Amino acid sequence: QSVLTQPPSASGFPGQRVTISCSGSNSNIGNNYISWYQQLPGTAPKLLIYRNDQRPSGVPDRFSGSKSGVSASLAISGLRSEDEADYYCVSWDDRLSGYVFGTGTEVTAL
Amino acid sequence: EEQLVESGGDLVQPGGSLRLSCVVSGFIFSNYWMSWVRQSPGRGLEWVANIKQDGTEKHYVDSVKGRFTISRDNGMNALYLHMNSLRVDDTALYYCTSHQLGIGTSWGRGTLVTVSS
Repeated sequence: QSVLTQPPSASGFPGQRVTISCSGSNSNIGNNYISWYQQLPGTAPKLLIYRNDQRPSGVPDRFSGSKSGVSASLAISGLRSEDEADYYCVSWDDRLSGYVFGTGTEVTAL
Repeated sequence: EEQLVESGGDLVQPGGSLRLSCVVSGFIFSNYWMSWVRQSPGRGLEWVANIKQDGTEKHYVDSVKGRFTISRDNGMNALYLHMNSLRVDDTALYYCTSHQLGIGTSWGRGTLVTVSS
C-alpha cells in the first residue's frame, strides 16, 4: 500500500544538487515524522534521514531532509557516482495504523 | 556493532506456513520497537508488521492481517514472524529492522521467502 508518491527517477551530473520529493497526505506526512533510506544494488536499505531532517552519525552532510505540509524532500548536494542507488521515504499513517513507504526513486549520476 | 540476522526463509507451496526469525546483538533489544519489512523481486519496500518493546502492541499491513503474527522474545534477543496461508504475492526478501532512531535504523541482510507450486 504505497500511499507516498515519489518520482521514479532523478539524475544529475557529478557535483550537482539532486532533489527527490515524497508526497503524502494529512494522515501520514502531514502529522508524522518522515525518514529516508538509501538502497545500493543488492544490499539492505540504509537510514539516511530520520525525524524529517536529522542525520544519523556517519551520514555525510551532503544529504539533507526537509518537510512542509504533506510533502517532504531529500536533497543530495555534490552528487557522486557512489550515490547511485534507490531512495525511499517512509512515514507512519494514522488512518492505516501502519507505516507506508514511498514508491522509490532511482538516482543516476550522469 | 549492531547486528540483525534473519533466518527461516524457504520455498513453500501456496497455503503453507513458515516462521522467520531475527536474532539481534549490539544494542538493547528490549528497549525498542521492531519491524518486518519485505521487498518483492525488483520492487519497492513494504512494511509488514511491527511490535512494541514488551510485545503488548502490534500492527500489520492489511494484506497480511489474520495470516501473519509478529512476536518477540526479549530474553533471547529474537524477533519472529509466523506466516500462515502463504500466497504467491508474499514472495519477497524479508528484512528485520530496528527502531532506535525510528523505523529502519538498523537492518539485517534479509531472508528469502518464495511461495510457488
